[in-house]
Amino acid sequence: QKEVEQNSGPLSVPEGAIASLNCTYSDRGSQSFFWYRQYSGKSPELIMSIYSNGDKEDGRFTAQLNKASQYVSLLIRDSQPSDSATYLCAVNTRSNYQLIWGAGTKLIIKP
Amino acid sequence: DAGVIQSPRHEVTEMGQEVTLRCKPISGHNSLFWYRQTMMRGLELLIYFNNNVPIDDSGMPEDRFSAKMPNASFSTLKIQPSEPRDSAVYFCASSLGDSGANVLTFGAGSRLTVL
Repeated sequence: QKEVEQNSGPLSVPEGAIASLNCTYSDRGSQSFFWYRQYSGKSPELIMSIYSNGDKEDGRFTAQLNKASQYVSLLIRDSQPSDSATYLCAVNTRSNYQLIWGAGTKLIIKP
Repeated sequence: DAGVIQSPRHEVTEMGQEVTLRCKPISGHNSLFWYRQTMMRGLELLIYFNNNVPIDDSGMPEDRFSAKMPNASFSTLKIQPSEPRDSAVYFCASSLGDSGANVLTFGAGSRLTVL
């Protein structure tokens, strides 16, 4: 049973539109949630972290957390071709040091 | 800061050979993680060190895999003997602190191909 679920995609979004990426998790005790971006052939890099229910905005990116429903999402406004990548959702476990990773959603922004 | 430094970036070897991957974490970071990434299994945690001490090696596939962290600035992951199913990208990541709330910084990865 997977503990962090993501739609593998690919998710195709026209340039300038809003891209919406979703992630669900199974451990109700999880407290820290991360979105990492991974370009093809590169390593994951942090985009957003969120620890409290609600929205957190950083430039064109907004992370949304709903602990009651056990989901976290990432919105990318004004999508650019450079946003095309795989987006990995990561959630901490009760062990408090280990992250559980989703399989990632491949996002394609079409010019 | 140069970030997390891994070597080699690419390694091609034959089945049965020993492979050693190296990692230099970010100076001051006291947590170090070795991950393996494949298309089939995604990112898998192999081992976690905190303050140079192995805390969790439950992800190490089998006895063929071993990891060491002799000091705060260096870690190795060794595979002996290597097998074709070990082919993957191996990432080293470091963070400050020992909480899951801490952000990981990944190295560029070592792409291993075992023929």
